Amino acid sequence: DVKVTQSSRYLVKRTGEKVFLECVQDMDHENMFWYRQDPGLGLRLIYFSYDVKMKEKGDIPEGYSVSREKKERFSLILESASTNQTSMYLCASSRQSLNTEAFFGQGTRLTVV
Amino acid sequence: AQTVTQSQPEMSVQEAETVTLSCTYDTSESDYYLFWYKQPPSRQMILVIRQEAYKQQNATENRFSVNFQKAAKSFSLKISDSQLGDAAMYFCAYNPRGAQKLVFGQGTRLTINP
Repeated sequence: DVKVTQSSRYLVKRTGEKVFLECVQDMDHENMFWYRQDPGLGLRLIYFSYDVKMKEKGDIPEGYSVSREKKERFSLILESASTNQTSMYLCASSRQSLNTEAFFGQGTRLTVV
Repeated sequence: AQTVTQSQPEMSVQEAETVTLSCTYDTSESDYYLFWYKQPPSRQMILVIRQEAYKQQNATENRFSVNFQKAAKSFSLKISDSQLGDAAMYFCAYNPRGAQKLVFGQGTRLTINP
């Protein structure tokens, strides 16, 4: 059974804290993604990675950074959390092939207070 | 920039009835892929159905089918014989050929009335 696992389902952090969201996939996928999901806005791409140590900015990268030191793991970092980063964060992975299906983690609900 | 629009924030349907969810997209590309994803209350997003733009035949997966109108840039999802387990958020997504990332619509929350 294919799996994308996010380290936490719920997180509460204080303004200004450094926050790490971890994602691990067991499908040997080349691509990994971090999306943010907000009501009425759908999913918006923050960053994606197509290979180890490679990353590209998505549509809303400001305030975030990422790390991909190993193929199976993709971390999202909030350097200094702010209340407007309160949201649902979804990790996904996919193969580097045409018409490829993306597999999603269960999501992390982050609240910044 | 490519955009995907789902104009129905919420829809409801009676169990066993048929419902159609709308999706339009904007692109200058001629070759691309379209997807419908389902996000149940448990939050794990799963693929429902996919369509390749160069195929004229509409994709079908059991009770789920699409109406793909390339000239109109429209990609609607039809769910036949609706079941309680179909209740979820549904997202339309676009993927240009050769690109690795998906562009999502705003989502439609589907409620199934028993």
